Amino acid sequence: DQQVKQNSPSLSVQEGRISILNCDYTNSMFDYFLWYKKYPAEGPTFLISISSIKDKNEDGRFTVFLNKSAKHLSLHIVPSQPGDSAVYFCAASASQGGKLIFGQGTELSVKP
Amino acid sequence: DSGVTQTPKHLITATGQRVTLRCSPRSGDLSVYWYQQSLDQGLQFLIQYYNGEERAKGNILERFSAQQFPDLHSELNLSSLELGDSALYFCASSRGEKNIQYFGAGTRLSVL
Repeated sequence: DQQVKQNSPSLSVQEGRISILNCDYTNSMFDYFLWYKKYPAEGPTFLISISSIKDKNEDGRFTVFLNKSAKHLSLHIVPSQPGDSAVYFCAASASQGGKLIFGQGTELSVKP
Repeated sequence: DSGVTQTPKHLITATGQRVTLRCSPRSGDLSVYWYQQSLDQGLQFLIQYYNGEERAKGNILERFSAQQFPDLHSELNLSSLELGDSALYFCASSRGEKNIQYFGAGTRLSVL
């Protein structure tokens, strides 16, 4: 039972364009959603999060959108840079300080 | 640098053996989480400790156990190892704020 799904294993975009990474979830009890970025041979690095009471959170080039009715969130990266090339994981949590449930990840490749 | 330290980085062992993975959380973080990432999979939650006490359990095998010591470092013990236990094992720590967890670089376990 996969509660968090990232249906696109990979995404390729041109430098300077927008990258949109998608994530779907099934558990309506999730109250925090997070995006992590992972380079090879490193641990996941926290990128941005959003509470279930909001529908948008922005931090520099990164914006996360949450559509609760569709149980869908997305991460927008504008403009995309070659250094953004990494695996991006969507994660969700149903309790304060609780475990994170991760999606399978989407490998983003930003081409110069 | 996330501030979470995991040792060793790599571990190669044989089936049937027992290993111990170590994690030092960020200074001040009381919660420690262990996750397993098998090939091409997302991170799967194993177990959480909070200030020395077990807080939550995920899909952790009976052959696996963990503990958190008074200095807050944690150890994950894997015994009677099988080929299928080969994976990346990540430790994360948190203060609980916005459910953000900070990850170590992981321990890559290879069971031959």
